[in-house]
Amino acid sequence: KQEVTQIPAALSVPEGENLVLNCSFTDSAIYNLQWFRQDPGKGLTSLLLIQSSQREQTSGRLNASLDKSSGRSTLYIAASQPGDSATYLCAVSRIVDNQGGKLIFGQGTELSVKP
Amino acid sequence: KAGVTQTPRYLIKTRGQQVTLSCSPISGHRSVSWYQQTPGQGLQFLFEYFSETQRNKGNFPGRFSGRQFSNSRSEMNVSTLELGDSALYLCASSSTVGGGANVLTFGAGSRLTVL
Repeated sequence: KQEVTQIPAALSVPEGENLVLNCSFTDSAIYNLQWFRQDPGKGLTSLLLIQSSQREQTSGRLNASLDKSSGRSTLYIAASQPGDSATYLCAVSRIVDNQGGKLIFGQGTELSVKP
Repeated sequence: KAGVTQTPRYLIKTRGQQVTLSCSPISGHRSVSWYQQTPGQGLQFLFEYFSETQRNKGNFPGRFSGRQFSNSRSEMNVSTLELGDSALYLCASSSTVGGGANVLTFGAGSRLTVL
């Protein structure tokens, strides 16, 4: 059974700091891994998608890495801003689910960036 | 182009009633997935539809059902509502079956409160 864990559950940093969010998964037979952002009471916004054959993806100040062998992914946020405050979720899709839209989510990391 | 549209955004029901939620995917997207989000369980997969066929189903009781129409719009229904069904219900669409390398785009959600 695939389980996804995110550490830490909450993080508070001053503006401008670089930070790393962690995600681990128990079954390496994944099709891809996605990082999402969720603002309070809102839906999810996709940030980065890493296919299983890839090692990392970058978008602006965000960089996500994937190490399938160790079952880990990290989301690196450079020069954090108050607007980055949100809950960050990672999710994996499993090969056994037919590369489906069935994602298994972690519980999220609630990030607060203080001005 | 328009995003994923979910209606209604908020609704209040009483135990024993039933509810129907609607999701209109991004134009051209044929895959629709549904998720339930609660503070205790986080985000959990409900089901996925592609071309009017259910492709994947999560571990939810039979009270939860869904369908997809020929125009790719999807509905989910919950019968005999229980207090524990109070949640944010999120719909996501993608252009290929189950997302593949394509990103899932989520709607803003329908927040259901059961009294």
